[in-house]
Amino acid sequence: AQTVTQSQPEMSVQEAETVTLSCTYDTSESDYYLFWYKQPPSRQMILVIRQEAYKQQNATENRFSVNFQKAAKSFSLKISDSQLGDAAMYFCAYRSIGGNNNDMRFGAGTRLTVKP
Amino acid sequence: DTEVTQTPKHLVMGMTNKKSLKCEQHMGHRAMYWYKQKAKKPPELMFVYSYEKLSINESVPSRFSPECPNSSLLNLHLHALQPEDSALYLCASSRDRGVNTEAFFGQGTRLTVV
Repeated sequence: AQTVTQSQPEMSVQEAETVTLSCTYDTSESDYYLFWYKQPPSRQMILVIRQEAYKQQNATENRFSVNFQKAAKSFSLKISDSQLGDAAMYFCAYRSIGGNNNDMRFGAGTRLTVKP
Repeated sequence: DTEVTQTPKHLVMGMTNKKSLKCEQHMGHRAMYWYKQKAKKPPELMFVYSYEKLSINESVPSRFSPECPNSSLLNLHLHALQPEDSALYLCASSRDRGVNTEAFFGQGTRLTVV
């Protein structure tokens, strides 16, 4: 089974600065999807960004970008120009391409604090 | 409308009670999910419905009983729960179970079993 590891339980960043959250995963599959979800205190999980494993180009969504290293099985999230509203729990997630078990599996999460 | 609505937002129930959690979406999604999330832990998949049929049951105890009456609604019936079942229960939906389809989550029901 695939596993997702987030080794940073907590991270802190100064407002307007840049922070990188780490995620590694273990899989024997060659095609899959990776996601970063954000869960603020409101509890709702919100999709931040997604990456398709067969695409070499790193995904970017405004201030959010990923560094996808397929060989190293690493999928880090970079948040630029951090804002107070970025404070939340961030979950990395993996999803298989096929088979009957292609539902999302989450890492343990990283709690991000943004200091004014 | 990209909303998944869950009711109630909070629920306190005794171990002998029967209650139900409800989830609703009007995005035309045909896959719906129940997740359980303990404090400071990631969501754990419980059930998946695809086209109103249960396709995954992740070895969840029978005191949790899912139901999908139609393509817009998903219920989770609770009976004889234990205190360790206290958690945030999240509902999600996606267009289908295709991997490149985004999952939309509700705000969850915070369940406390006393």
